[in-house]
Amino acid sequence: NAGVTQTPKFQVLKTGQSMTLQCAQDMNHNSMYWYRQDPGMGLRLIYYSASEGTTDKGEVPNGYNVSRLNKREFSLRLESAAPSQTSVYFCASSFGGRDTQYFGPGTRLTVL
Amino acid sequence: DQQVKQNSPSLSVQEGRISILNCDYTNSMFDYFLWYKKYPAEGPTFLISISSIKDKNEDGRFTVFLNKSAKHLSLHIVPSQPGDSAVYFCAASVEGAQKLVFGQGTRLTINP
Repeated sequence: NAGVTQTPKFQVLKTGQSMTLQCAQDMNHNSMYWYRQDPGMGLRLIYYSASEGTTDKGEVPNGYNVSRLNKREFSLRLESAAPSQTSVYFCASSFGGRDTQYFGPGTRLTVL
Repeated sequence: DQQVKQNSPSLSVQEGRISILNCDYTNSMFDYFLWYKKYPAEGPTFLISISSIKDKNEDGRFTVFLNKSAKHLSLHIVPSQPGDSAVYFCAASVEGAQKLVFGQGTRLTINP
């Protein structure tokens, strides 16, 4: 039982490059989330998926897209990376919106 | 518009003493509150929660207090231990919502 896994752990991009962050959970959770953590800003929700087949914007969705590939997997895509997207990205999952969220270990992304 | 605020970025407490972490919120529709703990290079983990129908919830050394009239909650850790050194996030949600809103976090350091 791995919980929530994220790949990659670290990534360095140049401005304008694209990449996809992968997230998978093996807890049969319905809801999945993508957050970014920046100093002094806490955890800010980028996108979430309340159930398979649905996605919704969070607080800071600009510059990102998501795909709920199936119940287990939820990916986050940066189409054209910008230095402002330098951050630590966390994926989380839960049975429902108000249930305990379980977080992955994070992806540290640097955009030069 | 920061709906959940943790105004102390850091707190230093001596081992064995009480640690008190504070959190304020502005949205009166919030009715469920949680605390998460985060160690460096790891994802946040759930610590304790409280529903708005209660004013206190206790779990071992951890107690969360909720003051609805002041829109304020606090986390008490007694006695504080070195392993409690971490960043603590408070979070809140509205009934029916599929997401949490997090505060900025407070870095707690327990000194031996």
